[in-house]
Amino acid sequence: NFMLTQPHSVSGSPGKAVTISCTGSSGSIASSSVQWFQQRPGSAPTIVIYEDDQRLSGVPDRFSGSIDSSSNSASLTISGLKTEDEADYYCQSYDSSNFWVFGGGTKLTVL
Amino acid sequence: VQLVESGGGLIQPGGSLRLSCAASGFTFTDYDMHWVRQSTGKGLEWVSGIGTAGDTEYSGSVKGRFTISRENAKNSVYLQLNSLRAEDTAVYYCARLGLYYMDVWGKGTTVTVSS
Repeated sequence: NFMLTQPHSVSGSPGKAVTISCTGSSGSIASSSVQWFQQRPGSAPTIVIYEDDQRLSGVPDRFSGSIDSSSNSASLTISGLKTEDEADYYCQSYDSSNFWVFGGGTKLTVL
Repeated sequence: VQLVESGGGLIQPGGSLRLSCAASGFTFTDYDMHWVRQSTGKGLEWVSGIGTAGDTEYSGSVKGRFTISRENAKNSVYLQLNSLRAEDTAVYYCARLGLYYMDVWGKGTTVTVSS
């Protein structure tokens, strides 16, 4: 089964940048789009990045997405960290049946 | 634009439950609808989806036990959960599929499978 692997947690200081990786278990992550969701405690997920690197209107340009085919991974980079960025972040793509697959999630702590 | 789930609760293993999701504020018939679940402290898991034409898809973990349906006249989508197991315990979210991503989510309804 196709899986997406994310680090369990990352942390950064206010004003700094962090990158969250999302690695595909097989195939080419570049062959399907990757989305990134933010989820705050007690709330439903909300989209921050879609189609690999497209930022949803209203999402600060501090958030950016990218694909690295050489490592079969996608990345979410958040620059100029703010305490309000503290949340869980999930990547999402598709398996060979075109079914949705989510990564295990990464807890971002802003120290 | 809003999605409101209902129907969750405490159910014994092997039991059945029907979840509902009421949509408002958009043209329901224009959108595919999905169910995504999240176990406590765990990640998101796609469960099932239904297209505008009523075509359905299921994850391997629920295929044969869960049934998704929609009732356009009531702007609602349903998830029938049968043969429930402890591992089905989760918050179940209803989500609208926009052009590229699930762009509207409900607040979720909690299903607890326990004796």
